[in-house]
Amino acid sequence: AQSVTQLGSHVSVSEGALVLLRCNYSSSVPPYLFWYVQYPNQGLQLLLKYTSAATLVKGINGFEAEFKKSETSFHLTKPSAHMSDAAEYFCAVASDTGRRALTFGSGTRLQVQP
Amino acid sequence: NAGVTQTPKFRVLKTGQSMTLLCAQDMNHEYMYWYRQDPGMGLRLIHYSVGEGTTAKGEVPDGYNVSRLKKQNFLLGLESAAPSQTSVYFCASIQTGALNYGYTFGSGTRLTVV
Repeated sequence: AQSVTQLGSHVSVSEGALVLLRCNYSSSVPPYLFWYVQYPNQGLQLLLKYTSAATLVKGINGFEAEFKKSETSFHLTKPSAHMSDAAEYFCAVASDTGRRALTFGSGTRLQVQP
Repeated sequence: NAGVTQTPKFRVLKTGQSMTLLCAQDMNHEYMYWYRQDPGMGLRLIHYSVGEGTTAKGEVPDGYNVSRLKKQNFLLGLESAAPSQTSVYFCASIQTGALNYGYTFGSGTRLTVV
């Protein structure tokens, strides 16, 4: 079984500040890890994914995440927040066996203060 | 454009009514999934299919049925809608052995049961 825990359902940062959204996963097989962003009343957009290549993954809009196997973590960061980053962010895990379904965390809503 | 198309985009149902949500993909993907999204709970897997003619239960299957008679279509049915099924529904698909390329999501169906 797989699971994802996102610490902090709401995170608030000032514009220009560091963004750190936390994600810890549990998986009995090598995981594939994903970060998605959802803007209000829209669908899911893939930010970045870890697929067992480089442990530091760069995504769109200046985001990146580092896969740390020893900590079972895949935290999302961005050096400088922009107002347009305000959205909900979901971490998800999958494996390349069995049903191959994504298991999502409960999401973190990022608020960016001017 | 290649992708996943969900119909309808919005629907209001009365308690006890039935309806079918359609998910259609033109990428020849084997795996298809139905998720529901509720505030504070992320996306949860309702049912999935690993190929034409196959379906299986996910984490929250009660009150839903599915069918995959054609490879490109995955239907989600509500036989007797309940207010607890008010949610946003997302369909997703992926090709076998292609987690490196990620999942393709539909734009969602917003369902309200009154």
